[in-house]
Amino acid sequence: SYVLTQPPSVSVAPGQTAKMTCGGDSLGIKSVQWYQQKPGQAPVLVVYDDSDRPSGIPERFSGSNSRDTATLTISRVEAGDEADYYCQVWDGSRDHGVFGGGTKLTVL
Amino acid sequence: EEQLLESGGGLVQPGGSLRLSCGASGFIFKNFALSWVRQAPGKGLEWVSYITGSGGDTTYADSVKGRFIMSRDNSKSTLYLQMNTVRVEDTAVYYCAKKDNWGNWFGLWGQGTLVTVSS
Repeated sequence: SYVLTQPPSVSVAPGQTAKMTCGGDSLGIKSVQWYQQKPGQAPVLVVYDDSDRPSGIPERFSGSNSRDTATLTISRVEAGDEADYYCQVWDGSRDHGVFGGGTKLTVL
Repeated sequence: EEQLLESGGGLVQPGGSLRLSCGASGFIFKNFALSWVRQAPGKGLEWVSYITGSGGDTTYADSVKGRFIMSRDNSKSTLYLQMNTVRVEDTAVYYCAKKDNWGNWFGLWGQGTLVTVSS
């Protein structure tokens, strides 16, 4: 089955840029999504189809995807961005969803 | 406003059964595929199952295949997850999520319902 790998944690100071990666075999040919989850809340889609943002998501959130790695970038990080972030793809060969293990973003 | 609302969670003994429901509103229910996604305490998200808009096709994670059954009643705008022969490792918050018609992402999630499997 398809596997997505995320670093467990990333730390960044307020106002700086946070980059979180998601690795997978030939990930660049897949559509990658990113979800933000704050404690006690349901996940929220922040980036879809590699680099598109749903309405209401700040422009500070951006995504890219190439070869074996997708990246979620949060510019001008705020305290309110502290959360767990999950990448996700769809395994079309099995019609299965696949999530990465998640990255905890800490704002110092 | 689009909304999903799960119910039916609770405490169940190992080997027992439980049925979760997910009521939808604010969109044409039959037009969208849906999934169940779960999250064990302190752990990450795990995709569980998928159903097409018509309900004619379903797929399951290997961890639940043969034990869980996903279904839907489009006349009631309600999604179900029948959980049979549950195990301690099925303990989790279960979310229903709406899959977008234009791509493979989940743009709408419910608030989740907690299932605890314990003797």
